[in-house]
Amino acid sequence: GQQVMQIPQYQHVQEGEDFTTYCNSSTTLSNIQWYKQRPGGHPVFLIQLVKSGEVKKQKRLTFQFGEAKKNSSLHITATQTTDVGTYFCAGGGGSQGNLIFGKGTKLSVKP
Amino acid sequence: GAGVSQSPRYKVAKRGQDVALRCDPISGHVSLFWYQQALGQGPEFLTYFQNEAQLDKSGLPSDRFFAERPEGSVSTLKIQRTQQEDSAVYLCASSNLAGPGTDTQYFGPGTRLTVL
Repeated sequence: GQQVMQIPQYQHVQEGEDFTTYCNSSTTLSNIQWYKQRPGGHPVFLIQLVKSGEVKKQKRLTFQFGEAKKNSSLHITATQTTDVGTYFCAGGGGSQGNLIFGKGTKLSVKP
Repeated sequence: GAGVSQSPRYKVAKRGQDVALRCDPISGHVSLFWYQQALGQGPEFLTYFQNEAQLDKSGLPSDRFFAERPEGSVSTLKIQRTQQEDSAVYLCASSNLAGPGTDTQYFGPGTRLTVL
């Protein structure tokens, strides 16, 4: 079945450093979504990418969708302590609208 | 409502006990999803409803798991004869999507189930 792999599993950075997490799907995706989950919280939607090669920015966050629509990345510039949490990519492609989540990248930021 | 709500937030069950987990989606949202999230893992799809119709239940791990949404709004996930491996956070999400494809899913706070 469809699988979504995400790396790295953990990332520890010093405040101010950049951070990137990568997502790869075993199949072509109709779209990809990114979610952030704070410790003890639930996933919160960040963004959806639909078009091949699409790039979207939200302040310090940059999201990319690969040309083949099988991979994606999230890059955070100059991390802050408020960026702490687990970032999940979720691939859309199921015929009924369900998402296939990656295992997430847990980001910790040292002040 | 303002967001997706779930109850109870925490549930401790003895092995073999039946449990029922409730989800109140955002008012007017057509689609409702249940996910299971084990510690340190991403949410795993369980089942999907469009209004009252259960269109996909391929993620339910066994026939001990049953979900319903009889009136197309509130949904209940029932687990019969709970086992220790059922311990996880059960997340409910709803979306405005009314057809095939994917749309933003809004997650509830989850129910943390612990089976002793």
